[in-house]
Parts: sequence; structure tokens; C-alpha cells
Amino acid sequence: GDQVEQSPSALSLHEGTGSALRCNFTTTMRAVQWFRKNSRGSLINLFYLASGTKENGRLKSAFDSKERYSTLHIRDAQLEDSGTYFCAATTNSAGNKLTFGIGTRVLVRP
Amino acid sequence: ETAVFQTPNYHVTQVGNEVSFNCKQTLGHDTMYWYKQDSKKLLKIMFSYNNKQLIVNETVPRRFSPQSSDKAHLNLRIKSVEPEDSAVYLCASSQTLNTEVFFGKGTRLTVV
Repeated sequence: GDQVEQSPSALSLHEGTGSALRCNFTTTMRAVQWFRKNSRGSLINLFYLASGTKENGRLKSAFDSKERYSTLHIRDAQLEDSGTYFCAATTNSAGNKLTFGIGTRVLVRP
Repeated sequence: ETAVFQTPNYHVTQVGNEVSFNCKQTLGHDTMYWYKQDSKKLLKIMFSYNNKQLIVNETVPRRFSPQSSDKAHLNLRIKSVEPEDSAVYLCASSQTLNTEVFFGKGTRLTVV
């Protein structure tokens, strides 16, 4: 089946630094979403992309359907950025099924 | 702030019982979903409904049955639960079939 390979599985950052998360896809995806799971377990929508890049504050995401990957960049990391980040992508098949990555556990340290 | 509401938050039941989970979205969306978070913490789709019509049934056992009374509600009934049904079940919605998906907080089911 369609696979989403998310890396790294865990990431430790000092406040003020940055890093990138990546998802590779085994097939051509139509769109990608990025989520953060907050401390209460809720999935918070970060980005929805059908192509190109989007930026929101200190977060920036890119999606290349042809090259089969998406990235999420965190810059100037803050303590509240800690959490588990998930990418999820959907193909052109019926039903808008999201296939999720395994998640990246991000810890921002003072 | 969530607009996809699930009840209950938690439910503990015995093998063989029937359970029902409720989901309501206040976003005016046409499409609703049920996902299951498995033992490896991966979220996998179970069902998707568009305008109250079943679109996707991902080879889910027949004891699972979604119930849609209108576009804003998609409940999930499990007849005769089994131990492997212990999981977190997440409801979601999107405006249409090919748009951004929003999730509820989930219902954690424990089967003893």
C-alpha cells in the first residue's frame, strides 16, 4: 500500500535553533497535511499543501509531488513547539484517505 | 479550537459488548471520517462518508458500522467488541472529498 516515511523519529532542539522534518512518499501524492499533537492529544492543523510552499510564523512547509516528498522547517524554536509532528498525505483515489507518517517527537530545550 | 466533537472521551467495556461513539462537526462540512490509531500509534482510515454516502470502507470487520443521520453527524457502532478493538478512534471532517481534514480529540476504547 501507499507508504509515508517520516524522519527523524525524534528531534531535540535548543531554543532559538531550527531544523527540518521530512516525509518521503512511495507513490505520487495529491496533497499533504502537517499536524502537531498537543499536550492534550489533539491534532492541530499546521499546513495543507497541494503544491509549493507555505509559511506560518516560524514554520514553513514544502511539498513536491513529482519528487515525492514534503518538508516542515522549524526556525527559532520555542519551548511551546515541543510535541509530536505528523505528516499525512492523500492520493487521487476516492475517499480522500490520509496515510500518516509515524510521527516526529520534537523536544525543545531551554 | 476544535470543531469536531467526539463523545465519550474514554470507554471501558467487556469483550462481547456493544459500544457506540458519537461524532458531530460544526464546520458545515460534507465529508466525515473515522480513523483508528493502532498499537503502533499509526492512524489508519476506517470509513469516509460524503453527503451521508459511504465512500470508503477500509476492510474493516463487519462488527463495525458507521451511522450517519445527517452531514454533521457520523457515529460509530461496534457490535460485540473484541480485545484487538482497544484503540483510540478519531473522527474527522473535510469540506469536500479533496480538501483539508480536521480531527476530533478521539475516543479511547479499552476492551477488558
